[in-house]
Amino acid sequence: DAKTTQPPSMDCAEGRAANLPCNHSTISGNEYVYWYRQIHSQGPQYIIHGLKNNETNEMASLIITEDRKSSTLILPHATLRDTAVYYCIVRAIDTGRRALTFGSGTRLQVQP
Amino acid sequence: DVKVTQSSRYLVKRTGEKVFLECVQDMDHENMFWYRQDPGLGLRLIYFSYDVKMKEKGDIPEGYSVSREKKERFSLILESASTNQTSMYLCASRSPLGGANVLTFGAGSRLTVL
Repeated sequence: DAKTTQPPSMDCAEGRAANLPCNHSTISGNEYVYWYRQIHSQGPQYIIHGLKNNETNEMASLIITEDRKSSTLILPHATLRDTAVYYCIVRAIDTGRRALTFGSGTRLQVQP
Repeated sequence: DVKVTQSSRYLVKRTGEKVFLECVQDMDHENMFWYRQDPGLGLRLIYFSYDVKMKEKGDIPEGYSVSREKKERFSLILESASTNQTSMYLCASRSPLGGANVLTFGAGSRLTVL
């Protein structure tokens, strides 16, 4: 799995967009970018994933650069409930017999 | 939505006790996982199961065993609990969505071993 690099922490004002970056310069052509988050004392929650096209769902948008070496998770209107640790994971589609590896992620603090 | 339910949110056990952590998923998923999470160490895989009665060791299986007698239920067993097994335990179920790595996690079980 390609290594990912994320800033350890970020702040965002409530109601503003939160843009969380992730670098994955060694990503392979068959590897997807996944985003999860973990709110304090809860299990991680899947947010979104993508291969090369930008993706959007009800939670967030995922922007992947054309060279696929970095990506940005966008929470369009951050709320206090979005305060969490956000994990960027790069992984190829497989049989699921290997576990996902969660790094240290980015701790997002949404300020009122 | 897929739901993964862990039987106990908080447990306190004594050293040497046998501990059962139960996990149930309601979407007929084949793959289920047990992780533990400790400050500074992230999530570490203990065991996973890819089908009924099938299991494989993860990165830190020592001191643990698992049971998967039914597809929906995956149990983690601590045969003789020790203080270094005090941790947050997380169960996850994998969506078969085109082979994507979309995991659904339970809320976690925080175990304290005295």
